[in-house]
Amino acid sequence: RKEVEQDPGPFNVPEGATVAFNCTYSNSASQSFFWYRQDCRKEPKLLMSVYSSGNEDGRFTAQLNRASQYISLLIRDSKLSDSATYLCAVNPRYNFNKFYFGSGTKLNVKP
Amino acid sequence: GAGVSQSPSNKVTEKGKDVELRCDPISGHTALYWYRQSLGQGLEFLIYFQGNSAPDKSGLPSDRFSAERTGGSVSTLTIQRTQQEDSAVYLCASSPGTGNSGANVLTFGAGSRLTVL
Repeated sequence: RKEVEQDPGPFNVPEGATVAFNCTYSNSASQSFFWYRQDCRKEPKLLMSVYSSGNEDGRFTAQLNRASQYISLLIRDSKLSDSATYLCAVNPRYNFNKFYFGSGTKLNVKP
Repeated sequence: GAGVSQSPSNKVTEKGKDVELRCDPISGHTALYWYRQSLGQGLEFLIYFQGNSAPDKSGLPSDRFSAERTGGSVSTLTIQRTQQEDSAVYLCASSPGTGNSGANVLTFGAGSRLTVL
């Protein structure tokens, strides 16, 4: 079983829609969680760290559900510029510098 | 520097040749990572360096792959006797690497796109 799993999508949504992705992780000892955004043929860039209490940054909300071992990313009022692949990353408690990445969820926002 | 710098940005080579890919991390970052990303795929961990500790090489796919990090800064990933399946984007990332909040956030370079003919 993979350490981190994501629905590859694509999620095709109209501008202004709300869309949510989940990312499940297999290791209950995971400690830190992140969402990265990757544009086509570009490097991943940090979108948000995910905190236990959940956190919000503008139109983006990230949440952690430890009981069910998943993290989520909610995007409200989608923009064309949100079209990208969203990667989740998980960092285990036993190794602060080890990261497991999901294979990403592709989002296409249409006009 | 301001960001993670990688070179070359593109490399086309013939099967069987050796290649070297270079990564210059953010100044002061003690942790450095190499990942590989094949077309349409996720990130495959290759190796990471943390300060003066022995590197974690657990992700290297074969003994044709090796990496070193000199002086705790610049790193070189070497692929010997390249094969067509080595074609991918090789991404380097660095992080502050200490135990404080935010210390394990990765900053990626733009990658080196390797094509083996």
